[in-house]
Amino acid sequence: AQSVTQPDIHITVSEGASLELRCNYSYGATPYLFWYVQSPGQGLQLLLKYFSGDTLVQGIKGFEAEFKRSQSSFNLRKPSVHWSDAAEYFCAVGYTDKLIFGTGTRLQVFP
Amino acid sequence: EPEVTQTPSHQVTQMGQEVILRCVPISNHLYFYWYRQILGQKVEFLVSFYNNEISEKSEIFDDQFSVERPDGSNFTLKIRSTKLEDSAMYFCASMGDPYGRMNTEAFFGQGTRLTVV
Repeated sequence: AQSVTQPDIHITVSEGASLELRCNYSYGATPYLFWYVQSPGQGLQLLLKYFSGDTLVQGIKGFEAEFKRSQSSFNLRKPSVHWSDAAEYFCAVGYTDKLIFGTGTRLQVFP
Repeated sequence: EPEVTQTPSHQVTQMGQEVILRCVPISNHLYFYWYRQILGQKVEFLVSFYNNEISEKSEIFDDQFSVERPDGSNFTLKIRSTKLEDSAMYFCASMGDPYGRMNTEAFFGQGTRLTVV
């Protein structure tokens, strides 16, 4: 069955530090992969998406993610975190016409 | 920028009551969705809707749930007799690709927080 795993429930980083949020998926075919961000009390905003082609994709707010088929991973990265990046981050895989989400990673940023 | 709008932002209802959550998808979109997020848990798919009928639904979407597109702009989720465990954030989403391919973006609304007491 299709599934998405985000092994880190909660991550804390200092402002200016680099960030990597992990995502692993289980999917039989070539996946469509997404990262969404949810700020407190807000909806889901798309950060970036991967469909095909270049395995390193750039998104909004300085985020990027790399698709690694051999590891079934789609980790999200940012070289320098800002305090405004504190939020919940969800990885998702597109299956038929719907999204299957991971459990999310809560990012806390200290000044 | 076009957006998906949901009303109300927060609804409190008594157990056993019917609730209707409302959504206005982006106007030229063709696929519509409801997702649910119980507090502290992941976002879960409930139902997808295309061409005036349900295209897929999850096991969560039982007989107590129904969806409707009563006019050309609104998309509603009805819970017939609410239970305590229905308390959650409900997200509406819409997608524009005519084939429902997931290589297009699903746009999400801000959500409706439903509290059943």
